[in-house]
Amino acid sequence: AQSVTQLDSHVSVSEGTPVLLRCNYSSSYSPSLFWYVQHPNKGLQLLLKYTSAATLVKGINGFEAEFKKSETSFHLTKPSAHMSDAAEYFCVVSSDSNYQLIWGAGTKLIIKP
Amino acid sequence: GAVVSQHPSWVICKSGTSVKIECRSLDFQATTMFWYRQFPKQSLMLMATSNEGSKATYEQGVEKDKFLINHASLTLSTLTVTSAHPEDSSFYICSAEWDREYNEQFFGPGTRLTVL
Repeated sequence: AQSVTQLDSHVSVSEGTPVLLRCNYSSSYSPSLFWYVQHPNKGLQLLLKYTSAATLVKGINGFEAEFKKSETSFHLTKPSAHMSDAAEYFCVVSSDSNYQLIWGAGTKLIIKP
Repeated sequence: GAVVSQHPSWVICKSGTSVKIECRSLDFQATTMFWYRQFPKQSLMLMATSNEGSKATYEQGVEKDKFLINHASLTLSTLTVTSAHPEDSSFYICSAEWDREYNEQFFGPGTRLTVL
């Protein structure tokens, strides 16, 4: 069965410094992996997705994630944090059998001025 | 991009009443729509999956008689919370996909339900 673990419930960084949000997954097959962002009072927005093409995936707003099969990881990074990046971030894996989305618990990103 | 709307964005109702939440795909035909529930500071929990013209598939532990889902057209799905109680208070989110092979869901902004 598939599962997703987001290793940090909260991450706090200063504006202008790098962001790292960690995600590990388990999957029997080659998974599809996603990162979604949820701003307060707004809908979920897809940041990026991995579907067995390039292992380094570039998303919107300067975010990118690297699929590492040997480490079963799909960490999200951004070189320089902006105040507008403050939000909840979810790592998601697509089920092998029925394409349902399996959600991580979320990581709240806090940006300090 | 693909846009999904939800109505209402928030609703307050009395215990024992029923509430209907609409989910619409505005610029594409959704073969499948999903309903999620999100508790405060928690992740999304899939409640049910619905395909146009057929009965919804409910996840284990979700009462189908309490959470009625209708997917009458390729652009509209509704979730009716029947005889609502305070424990049904939550954030309900729908999503829609147009092609299962494309494997991407587009999310609505959510509906905050408060049952007094």
